[in-house]
Amino acid sequence: GAGVSQTPSNKVTEKGKYVELRCDPISGHTALYWYRQSLGQGPEFLIYFQGTGAADDSGLPNDRFFAVRPEGSVSTLKIQRTERGDSAVYLCASSLSSTSTDTQYFGPGTRLTVL
Amino acid sequence: DQQVKQNSPSLSVQEGRISILNCDYTNSMFDYFLWYKKYPAEGPTFLISISSIKDKNEDGRFTVFLNKSAKHLSLHIVPSQPGDSAVYFCAALGAGNNRKLIWGLGTSLAVNP
Repeated sequence: GAGVSQTPSNKVTEKGKYVELRCDPISGHTALYWYRQSLGQGPEFLIYFQGTGAADDSGLPNDRFFAVRPEGSVSTLKIQRTERGDSAVYLCASSLSSTSTDTQYFGPGTRLTVL
Repeated sequence: DQQVKQNSPSLSVQEGRISILNCDYTNSMFDYFLWYKKYPAEGPTFLISISSIKDKNEDGRFTVFLNKSAKHLSLHIVPSQPGDSAVYFCAALGAGNNRKLIWGLGTSLAVNP
């Protein structure tokens, strides 16, 4: 079956621009997560959705970052007024439910480069 | 402050031998631990996990050991194969409804033929 997919795979933008990153979770998975991974680091939690609602957005670094999941499936991570420090690989994961031990399955990531 | 630490950035082993990857954590509230493997340009792939109520979990060539008193876990791969060459991440979950995975920096494993 299809895994988690993310588009685009690469995004290059200029400082100050707005970007949207899309995640399609595994069909039937109710929980969806966003992480970002900077070079040489482990992934860093950003936000977690259970259904349509953000259950935990404590990892969003500031109010330039926002994520939505309007129909409980596809999610979009939105970054306003991008900064060079936002350059990273943005990873999306999904899990079957919100049970704490449910495995999180990851997509290939979107590599964002802010010039 | 790193709550999950992988102090070895890289490890090289011969094919057929054992690979041992180590992970230490500082937060005693973590109660579930996972290992993920990552190839370049791909997302992390789940390998194996262990609950804090256990001290060992085995799945084929992969075994994870947990020493709660030392706040230490390790992943053993035996026998190691060249296809195991990847970056291995240790991750931890807190208790209850906490779904945030907290990750180490990763260890790059090279298995030489």
